[in-house]
Amino acid sequence: ELKVEQNPLFLSMQEGKNYTIYCNYSTTSDRLYWYRQDPGKSLESLFVLLSNGAVKQEGRLMASLDTKARLSTLHITAAVHDLSATYFCAVDLLIQGAQKLVFGQGTRLTINP
Amino acid sequence: SAVISQKPSRDICQRGTSLTIQCQVDSQVTMMFWYRQQPGQSLTLIATANQGSEATYESGFVIDKFPISRPNLTFSTLTVSNMSPEDSSIYLCSVAKWTSGGAGVYNEQFFGPGTRLTVL
Repeated sequence: ELKVEQNPLFLSMQEGKNYTIYCNYSTTSDRLYWYRQDPGKSLESLFVLLSNGAVKQEGRLMASLDTKARLSTLHITAAVHDLSATYFCAVDLLIQGAQKLVFGQGTRLTINP
Repeated sequence: SAVISQKPSRDICQRGTSLTIQCQVDSQVTMMFWYRQQPGQSLTLIATANQGSEATYESGFVIDKFPISRPNLTFSTLTVSNMSPEDSSIYLCSVAKWTSGGAGVYNEQFFGPGTRLTVL
């Protein structure tokens, strides 16, 4: 059974600090997505990582993918309050010809002034 | 990307009743999906809505409880039948669209705004 595990599940940090969210998965895949969810809202696509070694950056967020280690990271640089949200990674699988996304548990990020 | 709307956005229902949730997309898509997100939890795939054939359900979800329709390439419905308080969740529709990126072509999923269901 595929498992997608995020670490940490809860993160409270101060503005200006750096931190990393980890996403480990248990089966072979070279496609991984990061989403952001604000309270009461739907999911917003942040990054699409399509190959081993892929690195994407947008503002204070940077995501990377290591398919050999089955690990993706989401790095936050000099955090600001607006980044407070829940972040999900999702592994893209092709099972019996059908695409499926399997989500991690989510990391609830709170950034304090 | 894709513009997805869901109706209703929220509802409060009585135990034993059923609710049908609608999902409309602004363009034709091959794949549509229904997810459940229980309070404070991650997303779990309920089923893939197939146009012209029966939906494909994930383990733990059955057609009698969650019947799905997909009459065309832009619309789908999910019914939550014989509801109980355990069905209180956010139900999200998503679609997959082929997207071109630097590393090639891939199938990206976009999510609707969700339907927040509370069952009393």
